[in-house]
Amino acid sequence: DTGVSQNPRHKITKRGQNVTFRCDPISEHNRLYWYRQTLGQGPEFLTYFQNEAQLEKSRLLSDRFSAERPKGSFSTLEIQRTEQGDSAMYLCASSPKLAGVLDSYEQYFGPGTRLTVT
Amino acid sequence: AQSVTQLGSHVSVSEGALVLLRCNYSSSVPPYLFWYVQYPNQGLQLLLKYTSAATLVKGINGFEAEFKKSETSFHLTKPSAHMSDAAEYFCAVSLTGNQFYFGTGTSLTVIP
Repeated sequence: DTGVSQNPRHKITKRGQNVTFRCDPISEHNRLYWYRQTLGQGPEFLTYFQNEAQLEKSRLLSDRFSAERPKGSFSTLEIQRTEQGDSAMYLCASSPKLAGVLDSYEQYFGPGTRLTVT
Repeated sequence: AQSVTQLGSHVSVSEGALVLLRCNYSSSVPPYLFWYVQYPNQGLQLLLKYTSAATLVKGINGFEAEFKKSETSFHLTKPSAHMSDAAEYFCAVSLTGNQFYFGTGTSLTVIP
């Protein structure tokens, strides 16, 4: 098991361009989360998938952000019409869903994609 | 609403001294609580978790945390700091596993 992977690791884009990030979770982890982290802050929750269903989405998430997990495996996060305020580290985490009292929501994080909007 | 507050954005301790990183949570019911560590240029790694079992939770690298409902706290401790403990530490809370809320982090410096 190679852990959670994210691509690309770094992305520099010009304001107004669209960007897409990919996350490959640990195999058979059916929970997948996206976060955004800015300098000096903790991760901020963006959205949550259980298998292919997007079950939670932060109210703070702009309509320019969209995420998919089409087959319940990898996920993509797209930002349309990027703004300088979108510059941040975008983190993906996955978690196994265990039965009953064994379920502890333990998340495994990827290394992140650092986005710079110029 | 759920949230966590980490008191002290920067903590410095001498090597061998006690490490105490503070976390207070806000939740209407006992939540799941977590401590994560982030080393420079690395992803977040789970240190320990509280899931309504034992209130004293032991984690990796000698860290432990105690859930105190009366104080709504989940402070992280380690008896003796090591140079390798220098990192950013985040407390997090969740009620359902669908959303997680992280604190702003505490940067730990270990002085030789």
